[in-house]
Amino acid sequence: DADVTQTPRNRITKTGKRIMLECSQTKGHDRMYWYRQDPGLGLRLIYYSFDVKDINKGEISDGYSVSRQAQAKFSLSLESAIPNQTALYFCATSDPDSTNEKLFFGSGTQLSVL
Amino acid sequence: AQKITQTQPGMFVQEKEAVTLDCTYDTSDPSYGLFWYKQPSSGEMIFLIYQGSYDQQNATEGRYSLNFQKARKSANLVISASQLGDSAMYFCAMRAEGRRALTFGSGTRLQVQP
Repeated sequence: DADVTQTPRNRITKTGKRIMLECSQTKGHDRMYWYRQDPGLGLRLIYYSFDVKDINKGEISDGYSVSRQAQAKFSLSLESAIPNQTALYFCATSDPDSTNEKLFFGSGTQLSVL
Repeated sequence: AQKITQTQPGMFVQEKEAVTLDCTYDTSDPSYGLFWYKQPSSGEMIFLIYQGSYDQQNATEGRYSLNFQKARKSANLVISASQLGDSAMYFCAMRAEGRRALTFGSGTRLQVQP
Protein backbone atom coordinates (compact mmCIF):
# COMPACT_ATOMS: atom_id res chain seq x y z
CA ASP A 1 0.00 0.00 0.00
CA ALA A 2 1.47 3.37 -1.01
CA ASP A 3 2.24 5.20 2.18
CA VAL A 4 3.91 8.06 4.03
CA THR A 5 6.26 6.78 6.72
CA GLN A 6 7.76 8.83 9.51
CA THR A 7 10.58 7.76 11.77
CA PRO A 8 10.88 7.73 14.69
CA ARG A 9 7.33 7.60 16.07
CA ASN A 10 8.47 9.01 19.39
CA ARG A 11 11.62 10.83 20.42
CA ILE A 12 12.80 12.31 23.68
CA THR A 13 15.83 14.54 23.53
CA LYS A 14 17.61 17.16 25.60
CA THR A 15 17.89 20.87 25.06
CA GLY A 16 20.72 21.74 22.68
CA LYS A 17 20.84 18.39 20.91
CA ARG A 18 20.61 18.11 17.13
CA ILE A 19 17.96 15.70 15.94
CA MET A 20 16.56 14.60 12.61
CA LEU A 21 13.05 13.43 11.80
CA GLU A 22 12.73 11.41 8.65
CA CYS A 23 9.92 11.00 6.16
CA SER A 24 9.71 8.68 3.19
CA GLN A 25 6.84 8.06 0.80
CA THR A 26 5.89 5.49 -1.79
CA LYS A 27 3.07 7.53 -3.31
CA GLY A 28 5.23 8.96 -6.06
CA HIS A 29 4.21 12.51 -5.13
CA ASP A 30 6.54 15.40 -5.87
CA ARG A 31 5.17 17.66 -3.15
CA MET A 32 6.11 17.13 0.48
CA TYR A 33 5.50 19.13 3.64
CA TRP A 34 6.41 19.32 7.31
CA TYR A 35 3.83 20.55 9.83
CA ARG A 36 3.86 20.73 13.60
CA GLN A 37 0.79 20.37 15.80
CA ASP A 38 0.44 22.08 19.16
CA PRO A 39 -2.68 21.88 21.36
CA GLY A 40 -5.03 24.76 20.58
CA LEU A 41 -2.98 25.91 17.60
CA GLY A 42 -3.80 23.34 14.97
CA LEU A 43 -1.20 22.42 12.38
CA ARG A 44 1.38 24.98 11.31
CA LEU A 45 3.59 24.74 8.24
CA ILE A 46 7.34 24.50 8.85
CA TYR A 47 8.79 23.79 5.38
CA TYR A 48 7.60 22.45 2.07
CA SER A 49 9.19 21.15 -1.11
CA PHE A 50 7.63 20.81 -4.54
CA ASP A 51 10.49 18.86 -6.06
CA VAL A 52 14.00 17.76 -5.20
CA LYS A 53 15.49 21.17 -6.01
CA ASP A 54 12.72 23.22 -4.38
CA ILE A 55 12.74 24.09 -0.66
CA ASN A 56 10.48 26.74 0.84
CA LYS A 57 10.01 28.14 4.31
CA GLY A 58 6.64 27.96 5.96
CA GLU A 59 5.21 30.17 8.67
CA ILE A 60 7.38 28.80 11.50
CA SER A 61 10.71 27.77 9.97
CA ASP A 62 13.02 29.38 12.57
CA GLY A 63 15.07 26.75 14.38
CA TYR A 64 14.43 24.11 11.71
CA SER A 65 16.08 23.01 8.49
CA VAL A 66 15.13 20.43 5.88
CA SER A 67 16.73 18.25 3.25
CA ARG A 68 15.03 16.73 0.22
CA GLN A 69 17.36 13.85 -0.54
CA ALA A 70 15.18 12.33 -3.25
CA GLN A 71 11.63 12.53 -4.51
CA ALA A 72 10.64 10.05 -1.84
CA LYS A 73 12.58 11.45 1.14
CA PHE A 74 12.18 14.69 3.07
CA SER A 75 13.88 15.09 6.45
CA LEU A 76 13.44 17.75 9.12
CA SER A 77 16.30 18.77 11.42
CA LEU A 78 16.33 20.67 14.66
CA GLU A 79 19.83 22.09 14.86
CA SER A 80 19.70 22.82 18.60
CA ALA A 81 16.48 21.60 20.15
CA ILE A 82 14.65 23.72 22.70
CA PRO A 83 11.69 22.81 24.94
CA ASN A 84 9.14 24.86 22.98
CA GLN A 85 9.83 22.58 19.99
CA THR A 86 8.05 19.85 21.90
CA ALA A 87 5.17 18.98 19.56
CA LEU A 88 3.65 16.41 17.24
CA TYR A 89 5.33 16.62 13.85
CA PHE A 90 3.64 15.51 10.64
CA CYS A 91 5.05 14.87 7.20
CA ALA A 92 2.58 15.05 4.32
CA THR A 93 2.52 14.67 0.55
CA SER A 94 0.22 15.81 -2.22
CA ASP A 95 -0.37 15.24 -5.91
CA PRO A 96 -0.94 18.50 -7.81
CA ASP A 97 -2.61 16.59 -10.65
CA SER A 98 -5.38 15.30 -8.41
CA THR A 99 -8.81 16.93 -8.28
CA ASN A 100 -8.45 18.53 -4.89
CA GLU A 101 -4.75 18.01 -4.05
CA LYS A 102 -5.54 16.81 -0.57
CA LEU A 103 -2.69 16.06 1.80
CA PHE A 104 -1.70 12.52 2.71
CA PHE A 105 -0.18 12.42 6.17
CA GLY A 106 2.30 10.19 7.91
CA SER A 107 1.49 8.84 11.37
CA GLY A 108 3.38 11.65 13.09
CA THR A 109 6.44 11.92 15.33
CA GLN A 110 5.87 12.95 18.94
CA LEU A 111 8.95 14.92 19.97
CA SER A 112 9.70 15.89 23.55
CA VAL A 113 12.57 18.26 24.31
CA LEU A 114 13.60 18.24 27.96
CA ALA B 1 -2.99 36.35 4.03
CA GLN B 2 -5.36 33.46 4.52
CA LYS B 3 -6.85 32.44 7.83
CA ILE B 4 -9.08 29.67 9.14
CA THR B 5 -11.11 30.14 12.33
CA GLN B 6 -12.73 27.35 14.31
CA THR B 7 -14.47 28.91 17.29
CA GLN B 8 -15.61 25.72 19.04
CA PRO B 9 -12.75 24.17 21.01
CA GLY B 10 -15.04 21.34 22.14
CA MET B 11 -18.44 19.95 21.26
CA PHE B 12 -20.67 17.22 22.67
CA VAL B 13 -23.34 15.33 20.74
CA GLN B 14 -25.59 12.40 21.54
CA GLU B 15 -25.14 9.26 19.52
CA LYS B 16 -27.37 9.14 16.41
CA GLU B 17 -27.89 12.90 16.39
CA ALA B 18 -26.49 15.36 13.85
CA VAL B 19 -23.79 17.87 14.72
CA THR B 20 -22.37 20.93 12.97
CA LEU B 21 -18.76 21.98 13.37
CA ASP B 22 -18.13 25.60 12.47
CA CYS B 23 -15.41 26.93 10.20
CA THR B 24 -14.95 30.43 8.82
CA TYR B 25 -12.20 31.49 6.49
CA ASP B 26 -10.62 34.63 5.19
CA THR B 27 -8.94 35.02 1.83
CA SER B 28 -8.82 37.58 -0.93
CA ASP B 29 -8.19 34.95 -3.58
CA PRO B 30 -11.20 34.22 -5.81
CA SER B 31 -10.34 30.54 -6.18
CA TYR B 32 -9.75 28.29 -3.19
CA GLY B 33 -10.45 24.88 -1.75
CA LEU B 34 -11.72 23.94 1.68
CA PHE B 35 -10.91 20.68 3.46
CA TRP B 36 -11.93 18.86 6.60
CA TYR B 37 -9.69 16.34 8.34
CA LYS B 38 -10.41 14.05 11.30
CA GLN B 39 -7.80 13.16 13.91
CA PRO B 40 -8.82 10.28 16.20
CA SER B 41 -7.07 9.71 19.51
CA SER B 42 -4.59 7.47 17.71
CA GLY B 43 -3.22 10.63 16.08
CA GLU B 44 -3.43 10.01 12.34
CA MET B 45 -4.93 12.63 10.04
CA ILE B 46 -7.83 11.37 7.93
CA PHE B 47 -9.21 13.34 4.98
CA LEU B 48 -13.00 13.67 5.11
CA ILE B 49 -14.33 16.07 2.51
CA TYR B 50 -13.41 18.82 0.04
CA GLN B 51 -15.27 21.84 -1.36
CA GLY B 52 -14.02 24.00 -4.21
CA SER B 53 -14.97 27.68 -4.20
CA TYR B 54 -16.58 27.39 -7.63
CA ASP B 55 -18.47 24.18 -6.89
CA GLN B 56 -22.19 24.76 -7.31
CA GLN B 57 -23.29 22.03 -4.96
CA ASN B 58 -22.34 21.46 -1.35
CA ALA B 59 -19.99 18.50 -1.04
CA THR B 60 -21.19 15.28 0.55
CA GLU B 61 -19.31 12.10 1.50
CA GLY B 62 -21.48 9.52 3.22
CA ARG B 63 -22.52 10.93 6.62
CA TYR B 64 -20.39 14.04 6.09
CA SER B 65 -21.58 17.13 4.29
CA LEU B 66 -20.08 20.54 3.94
CA ASN B 67 -22.43 23.51 4.40
CA PHE B 68 -20.66 26.03 2.16
CA GLN B 69 -21.88 29.62 2.40
CA LYS B 70 -19.57 31.65 0.21
CA ALA B 71 -20.95 35.08 1.03
CA ARG B 72 -20.50 34.41 4.73
CA LYS B 73 -17.12 32.74 4.17
CA SER B 74 -18.16 29.71 6.13
CA ALA B 75 -17.58 26.01 5.47
CA ASN B 76 -19.24 24.11 8.28
CA LEU B 77 -18.98 20.33 8.55
CA VAL B 78 -22.21 18.49 9.24
CA ILE B 79 -22.03 14.94 10.57
CA SER B 80 -25.33 13.12 10.45
CA ALA B 81 -26.29 10.21 12.71
CA SER B 82 -23.23 10.54 14.97
CA GLN B 83 -21.44 7.39 16.03
CA LEU B 84 -19.12 6.77 18.97
CA GLY B 85 -16.27 6.41 16.49
CA ASP B 86 -16.79 10.01 15.39
CA SER B 87 -15.23 11.19 18.66
CA ALA B 88 -12.06 12.96 17.48
CA MET B 89 -10.43 16.29 16.69
CA TYR B 90 -11.67 17.89 13.49
CA PHE B 91 -9.65 20.38 11.49
CA CYS B 92 -10.81 22.75 8.80
CA ALA B 93 -8.19 23.79 6.24
CA MET B 94 -7.92 25.93 3.13
CA ARG B 95 -5.69 26.27 0.10
CA ALA B 96 -6.17 29.47 -1.88
CA GLU B 97 -5.16 29.82 -5.51
CA GLY B 98 -1.53 30.77 -5.72
CA ARG B 99 -0.82 29.52 -2.20
CA ARG B 100 1.33 26.50 -2.00
CA ALA B 101 0.20 24.71 1.14
CA LEU B 102 -2.84 24.16 3.33
CA THR B 103 -3.59 26.51 6.21
CA PHE B 104 -5.31 24.82 9.15
CA GLY B 105 -7.67 26.01 11.85
CA SER B 106 -7.10 25.28 15.54
CA GLY B 107 -9.51 22.35 15.56
CA THR B 108 -12.67 21.25 17.36
CA ARG B 109 -12.75 18.27 19.69
CA LEU B 110 -15.99 16.34 19.24
CA GLN B 111 -17.18 13.88 21.84
CA VAL B 112 -20.07 11.58 21.00
CA GLN B 113 -21.98 10.40 24.04
CA PRO B 114 -23.95 7.13 24.18
